This record gives sequence, structure tokens and C-alpha cells, in this order.
Amino acid sequence: KAGVTQTPRYLIKTRGQQVTLSCSPISGHRSVSWYQQTPGQGLQFLFEYFSETQRNKGNFPGRFSGRQFSNSRSEMNVSTLELGDSALYLCASSSGEPAGELFFGEGSRLTVL
Amino acid sequence: KQEVTQIPAALSVPEGENLVLNCSFTDSAIYNLQWFRQDPGKGLTSLLLIQSSQREQTSGRLNASLDKSSGRSTLYIAASQPGDSATYLCAVKGTSGTYKYIFGTGTRLKVLA
Repeated sequence: KAGVTQTPRYLIKTRGQQVTLSCSPISGHRSVSWYQQTPGQGLQFLFEYFSETQRNKGNFPGRFSGRQFSNSRSEMNVSTLELGDSALYLCASSSGEPAGELFFGEGSRLTVL
Repeated sequence: KQEVTQIPAALSVPEGENLVLNCSFTDSAIYNLQWFRQDPGKGLTSLLLIQSSQREQTSGRLNASLDKSSGRSTLYIAASQPGDSATYLCAVKGTSGTYKYIFGTGTRLKVLA
């Protein structure tokens, strides 16, 4: 059974650009959540999608957005990139049930210059 | 508001030692608690999931316990090995109606050969 797949694994952008990251969850999982991880702030929750609907949202500015497709694949977009957006972006997949286990992908390492 | 704390932040032990990592949370109304391992620059690997009705879970040399009433969980690692060196994070999912996990800041473990 394939795990959670994130693409791209590494990318470099410049300030002001935008970026789109992709996440394919484990087959059969309907929930995808996104996290930002930085050395100073640790793991911070961005948002969660379940059956194509945003079910929960963290405290990030509107430049951070996401969506989920009918096949449960999810994308997140960051517009007008800032230096502080440099981070490891992690996607997690679960069944979506309240007590469901969380499974993570390898992450997308974004560097903003 | 749920807060999750992990102490110590870093730990260095000689190979072969048994060790305990601690996780504390402020709100005992949880669905489950999950322990993860993260290697540098990588995603999170799920180690153990404890449902709120359970007291402990075991996998190989790992044993995790949960005491909801006191807001504590411990991860016990038996006969530690250099390959166990990583950052260990715990996360709790509350029953407040939101579907996000709250993560601790992690314990960085180094096992010396």
C-alpha cells in the first residue's frame, strides 16, 4: 500500500512568487491536512480538507490556501512568497474519522530567496 | 486551548540504556494520542497510536502509556540503539469538534555508540 506522496520534494523560489505543492494521500483516506515546520515555530497546522471541503483552518494569512480534489489529492498554494515562508511543508493523510491515525509524507522543502 | 509539552527538549544517552520520553497535555478530552519519530529533514513516521480508552500500546522495543486524568503520556524505549537517534514528537487530537492534532515541540534524542 503506497504511502503519502508529496511533490516536489525541494524547490527554490524568490520573494513575490507563488508556489503550489501537491499531496496524494494513502488510498482510501479522505482527509488531508497540511503543516508548516520551521526550526523556530515547530509544527504548525495550516488546514485540513475532508471530502473536498475545508474542515479546519489554522492561523495563517490568506496567502496560504488549499484545495482537495474528488480523488482526495490535495494542493496547497502560497502566493506572494516572503522569506519567512521558507520551511518544510508536510502533508498528512488519515481516514478522517475522529480517532483516525495520522500518516505523513516526506515533505516539500521550500526555500525563498 | 490544548497545549502539549515535551520535556526534556534534548536527551543524550549511551547505547543500551532504557529511556523514557514525556508528553504532557492540558485538556484531557482527547480522542487519541500519537507518537512520531522524525529524522532530520524528513517527514514524521508514526510509531504508536493510543486511543483514549486505552492505557498503553506496544511495538517492538517501544511502549507508550496514556494517563488521561493526569494529562500525561510516556514513550519507553528499551535497549536504545544509535539508530534510535531522532526527534520524537507526540500529538493529541481533542474532542472539541475540530479535527486537528496539536503537536508538542519534540524531544531530540541522541544515542551514543
